[in-house]
Amino acid sequence: GAGVSQTPSNKVTEKGKYVELRCDPISGHTALYWYRQSLGQGPEFLIYFQGTGAADDSGLPNDRFFAVRPEGSVSTLKIQRTERGDSAVYLCASSLTATGANVLTFGAGSRLTVL
Amino acid sequence: RKEVEQDPGPFNVPEGATVAFNCTYSNSASQSFFWYRQDCRKEPKLLMSVYSSGNEDGRFTAQLNRASQYISLLIRDSKLSDSATYLCVGFISGGYNKLIFGAGTRLAVHP
Repeated sequence: GAGVSQTPSNKVTEKGKYVELRCDPISGHTALYWYRQSLGQGPEFLIYFQGTGAADDSGLPNDRFFAVRPEGSVSTLKIQRTERGDSAVYLCASSLTATGANVLTFGAGSRLTVL
Repeated sequence: RKEVEQDPGPFNVPEGATVAFNCTYSNSASQSFFWYRQDCRKEPKLLMSVYSSGNEDGRFTAQLNRASQYISLLIRDSKLSDSATYLCVGFISGGYNKLIFGAGTRLAVHP
């Protein structure tokens, strides 16, 4: 597609439930990033993929968070046993390659609310 | 200490004013720097890259001082449409390859 597409745009769930957030990057972009943004804060790095592999997952807060990108295109961020503190906007971004010369294009985000 | 720190803001300025935002970074391995703009409840979008020699894009000027690990953004002749949050961003490579964002500085331009 023309831009980075994220679904759902809004998700309300109950504490303890499982959630999946999907990201469809710009076609041909090999690098894909997940960030999390809480109110009043800048985006916080979670994980980035180069192709199918997670090149850096150092930002994932704990083992309840997991992300996949099985075919090197669409990625899914999975959150198990959600907690209220997981409430945030989850932003996906893609770039042509993972170098500083390339601009990240963000999707509109998935707003997660855990009740 | 956060890797990228910005002026807390908010900055409330009248139209036509000149306003400057500052940002410091702690990781000397950071190779590239950017300013992103984020409108309320929208995604961040690239405003401009920052080069050591300084660069200008219309009313916007960005400066980088590697010795002081300091980045700035100057906006001249502020417009109402400049109201947004400005995010200072550092790119860390060498096995990391990720953008680190500051918390952002909010700008409100009023008539």
